[in-house]
Amino acid sequence: NAGVTQTPKFQVLKTGQSMTLQCAQDMNHNSMYWYRQDPGMGLRLIYYSASEGTTDKGEVPNGYNVSRLNKREFSLRLESAAPSQTSVYFCASSEGRGQPQHFGDGTRLSIL
Amino acid sequence: QKEVEQDPGPLSVPEGAIVSLNCTYSNSAFQYFMWYRQYSRKGPELLMYTYSSGNKEDGRFTAQVDKSSKYISLFIRDSQPSDSATYLCAMSAAGQNFVFGPGTRLSVLP
Repeated sequence: NAGVTQTPKFQVLKTGQSMTLQCAQDMNHNSMYWYRQDPGMGLRLIYYSASEGTTDKGEVPNGYNVSRLNKREFSLRLESAAPSQTSVYFCASSEGRGQPQHFGDGTRLSIL
Repeated sequence: QKEVEQDPGPLSVPEGAIVSLNCTYSNSAFQYFMWYRQYSRKGPELLMYTYSSGNKEDGRFTAQVDKSSKYISLFIRDSQPSDSATYLCAMSAAGQNFVFGPGTRLSVLP
């Protein structure tokens, strides 16, 4: 009964380093999402994948790339990390757009 | 003006109180509404999902949507210390992605 699993849970990077955040869901959902959560800002959509093989930009896509590897997995990559990308990153999945979303427990990322 | 507004709190209430949490929005096309509960250092957990106007009840929780006023509410009856968390509202128009409010922090005091 895992739901949405995110790895790693914590990470500290130096400015300019790259890394990939991993997300996998076991609910056979079509749609997957990446959000960032900052104090006072709420959840902001970075990228989403409406279905396997498609990805689209959300509200704050700059500095990020994504890959929908298969129906289960959706990864988020920071090519050259910046301190402004310090945040908590959440992955979510849903049966489709407009349907209830189920979230992982997040990756806490600090960039020095 | 932000698309979804929510009082950040913190809101402190005594155990057993009825809690009212609210969100206002500006986009009249919104028709899908959700409420999430988020404990510290955890992901949001879906509490309620409603479509269009009206009420929906689930145990101690009642979600209310008033589209004419662009206002949604979540009521928690007989509040418990375990209800202490941040509550997020989210809403979307048909075929669109959800927009989230910033959350209200609730503290239920024993």
